[in-house]
Amino acid sequence: GDSVTQMEGPVTLSEEAFLTINCTYTATGYPSLFWYVQYPGEGLQLLLKATKADDKGSNKGFEATYRKETTSFHLEKGSVQVSDSAVYFCALSDPGTGGFKTIFGAGTRLFVKA
Amino acid sequence: GAGVSQSPSNKVTEKGKDVELRCDPISGHTALYWYRQSLGQGLEFLIYFQGNSAPDKSGLPSDRFSAERTGGSVSTLTIQRTQQEDSAVYLCASSQNRGTNEKLFFGSGTQLSVL
Repeated sequence: GDSVTQMEGPVTLSEEAFLTINCTYTATGYPSLFWYVQYPGEGLQLLLKATKADDKGSNKGFEATYRKETTSFHLEKGSVQVSDSAVYFCALSDPGTGGFKTIFGAGTRLFVKA
Repeated sequence: GAGVSQSPSNKVTEKGKDVELRCDPISGHTALYWYRQSLGQGLEFLIYFQGNSAPDKSGLPSDRFSAERTGGSVSTLTIQRTQQEDSAVYLCASSQNRGTNEKLFFGSGTQLSVL
């Protein structure tokens, strides 16, 4: 079945460091891919998405490129801030499964130190 | 409403008791989802509603779990004879329509603790 695998955390970085959080997926169809973020004390919210191969999603300085050849959707940011400290979830929605079930990875906790 | 509302925000119960968790989705959203987030785990899909019907119940862990949705709006997740392993954060999400590109809007969750 469909699945999402993302790097284990926690990830601890200093402010202004470069961030990469790896995400790979398996899917029967051609899924849409998402990154959701959960800030402390808040609900999950969509960070960015990409709906087809080679699309790049971007928001708040974060980027992720849909790589069909490597089945990956790695999250990157060039210079993190303390306010980026949160849990990040990679997710997919696959039309091969009817498109009604979004599957999430285990989440990666990011700590950014001042 | 302005967002997805879940109640209660916290629930402590004794093993063997029944609990009901409520989700009030964003007005006009036709799709509603329940997920479970256990400590250190990802989001586990439980059930999905399109309108009042639940075409996918495959994620419900056991027959102690059930859910309903009425009027295409509020949904209730019921756990009967709770067990300690049911302790988790139960998250509800809604989206405007069913579709692979649809953004999910999440509530803040219900933290369930079974003693």
